[in-house]
Amino acid sequence: AQTVTQSQPEMSVQEAETVTLSCTYDTSESDYYLFWYKQPPSRQMILVIRQEAYKQQNATENRFSVNFQKAAKSFSLKISDSQLGDAAMYFCACPSGTYKYIFGTGTRLKVLA
Amino acid sequence: EAGVAQSPRYKIIEKRQSVAFWCNPISGHATLYWYQQILGQGPKLLIQFQNNGVVDDSQLPKDRFSAERLKGVDSTLKIQPAKLEDSAVYLCASSQSLEQFFGPGTRLTVL
Repeated sequence: AQTVTQSQPEMSVQEAETVTLSCTYDTSESDYYLFWYKQPPSRQMILVIRQEAYKQQNATENRFSVNFQKAAKSFSLKISDSQLGDAAMYFCACPSGTYKYIFGTGTRLKVLA
Repeated sequence: EAGVAQSPRYKIIEKRQSVAFWCNPISGHATLYWYQQILGQGPKLLIQFQNNGVVDDSQLPKDRFSAERLKGVDSTLKIQPAKLEDSAVYLCASSQSLEQFFGPGTRLTVL
């Protein structure tokens, strides 16, 4: 069965510093995508970044990047130059079927001024 | 482009009452999802539609939950009768391919 594990319930980072959120997963899919979503207090889930499993190059979106280790089934999110607006819950999602994903339990990120 | 719309944003009911949530996906998105997000957890898929057909409802408690997507556009999720453990945020999402776009969710409190 597909599983997603986020082992850090909460993380804190100083403004302008870098933080890494961890995610490990297990899937039987052979070709797949992985996602990180951000959920601020407004509850709306927002896509942060996605990684195509067949690409060796790690995805990057501005201050957000991933460290994707396919063999280890690890998919961590790095946030550089953290900003107050980055404070939110972050969820990792991995595939569980065609256009279906399961989500981890989330990591609450606090940004300290 | 308008996003995924959901209503109501909040709902408080007593146990054994019924409740319905509405979702309007992004125009042209064939796939629609309903998720249940209990406090402190990630979203859990309840049901997935492709146009007006059900793709997956394996985690939908069918004795009390029902959902429909008439004409392959809007969707309604109903709970009847509600239990205390149904207190959660109900998220609707739609997609055209890989990326899912989420609505603002409905927070349900069952007393």
